[in-house]
Amino acid sequence: DGGITQSPKYLFRKEGQNVTLSCEQNLNHDAMYWYRQDPGQGLRLIYYSQIVNDFQKGDIAEGYSVSREKKESFPLTVTSAQKNPTAFYLCASSSGQGASKNIQYFGAGTRLSVL
Amino acid sequence: RKEVEQDPGPFNVPEGATVAFNCTYSNSASQSFFWYRQDCRKEPKLLMSVYSSGNEDGRFTAQLNRASQYISLLIRDSKLSDSATYLCVVKSDRGSTLGRLYFGRGTQLTVWP
Repeated sequence: DGGITQSPKYLFRKEGQNVTLSCEQNLNHDAMYWYRQDPGQGLRLIYYSQIVNDFQKGDIAEGYSVSREKKESFPLTVTSAQKNPTAFYLCASSSGQGASKNIQYFGAGTRLSVL
Repeated sequence: RKEVEQDPGPFNVPEGATVAFNCTYSNSASQSFFWYRQDCRKEPKLLMSVYSSGNEDGRFTAQLNRASQYISLLIRDSKLSDSATYLCVVKSDRGSTLGRLYFGRGTQLTVWP
């Protein structure tokens, strides 16, 4: 089935540790996004990529890093510099073309907690 | 000022009721608007796009008022399964943020039997 796959579903981070969240899509979408959602809050954009080998910072990029070496993959690393990483992380993609070009489709998310 | 503002609710309504959610946006140049639905501890999913002339999908009606920079969602004949958080979403058409979506905090709806 076509879609966006995020893994793992749950992740625990120890203090000082870097962790990487996986996001893979087989929708042939050009654009991919990472959001963070805190309880009772809206989605906040961390990073986005509109094409392979290119990405831009969103509103809350500090303490995070990304790469976009393949069209299908957009992993997010939560570094030790991110002091409050506990949140629900959502990956999304959009085609950027055609009638549905502006619609973003989401993965099931990763819940990150600090031990 | 936030790009998208929504009343967080919660709205608690009985089955069969009609309920309306409102949303305002700050960028007058925005061209694309959406309503997403998010169930508890799940990812957001597109409910419907919002067109300038207004549009309807079954029990759901979306309206756009560009002059007032205001978007609404009307749900008729509410079902228990409509219980969720409804996110107002606006696409930016401004310079460096071209193509980005801005999400409201969401309006929580609970439909009770």
